[in-house]
Amino acid sequence: SQQGEEDPQALSIQEGENATMNCSYKTSINNLQWYRQNSGRGLVHLILIRSNEREKHSGRLRVTLDTSKKSSSLLITASRAADTASYFCATDDQWTGNQFYFGTGTSLTVIP
Amino acid sequence: DSGVTQTPKHLITATGQRVTLRCSPRSGDLSVYWYQQSLDQGLQFLIQYYNGEERAKGNILERFSAQQFPDLHSELNLSSLELGDSALYFCASSVLASGGAYNEQFFGPGTRLTVL
Repeated sequence: SQQGEEDPQALSIQEGENATMNCSYKTSINNLQWYRQNSGRGLVHLILIRSNEREKHSGRLRVTLDTSKKSSSLLITASRAADTASYFCATDDQWTGNQFYFGTGTSLTVIP
Repeated sequence: DSGVTQTPKHLITATGQRVTLRCSPRSGDLSVYWYQQSLDQGLQFLIQYYNGEERAKGNILERFSAQQFPDLHSELNLSSLELGDSALYFCASSVLASGGAYNEQFFGPGTRLTVL
């Protein structure tokens, strides 16, 4: 399977703390994306990082990508209760480009 | 609101039946993707259509089929339903057909299918 894996599977933190989750994948990619999913709802796109980029910021989000290690991390700073959700990384395949492979997700709980 | 709509929201049916899920992509998006999300399998890519033609196939069962119509809406047909088909089915759309520079996918709210 080319599915990525997020680590940790679950994370519980206090409001105001930072949350870091990691994603590992298996194939060469064009880009990697992070999505958020609130319970039972659709996925919301957070950020895209291209294979030639190493770091990207968007508001309280910081994403890094290490293609040599086939891994990425998502950092959410100054977390809020509203950040409680599952977070998925998604990769495409550098050669086919069409299929999206989603990781297993990290369930984040931010305690007020 | 992503701009992608899916109907129905919920669907409860019996084993052996056939259902059709519908998806309307964001205005201007030519690609439609279907995903299945279940507790034990996670989020699985099923199939992609681009401008009416099948573009990529994932873990889609032979009992399942999809199509994209000239107005770009798509339907996913699930037949001979089994208990294990109970899942959330998501549709997503994007502007581009394939990867490369930018292929952000916008997800619909999903259809929850329950097979009894």
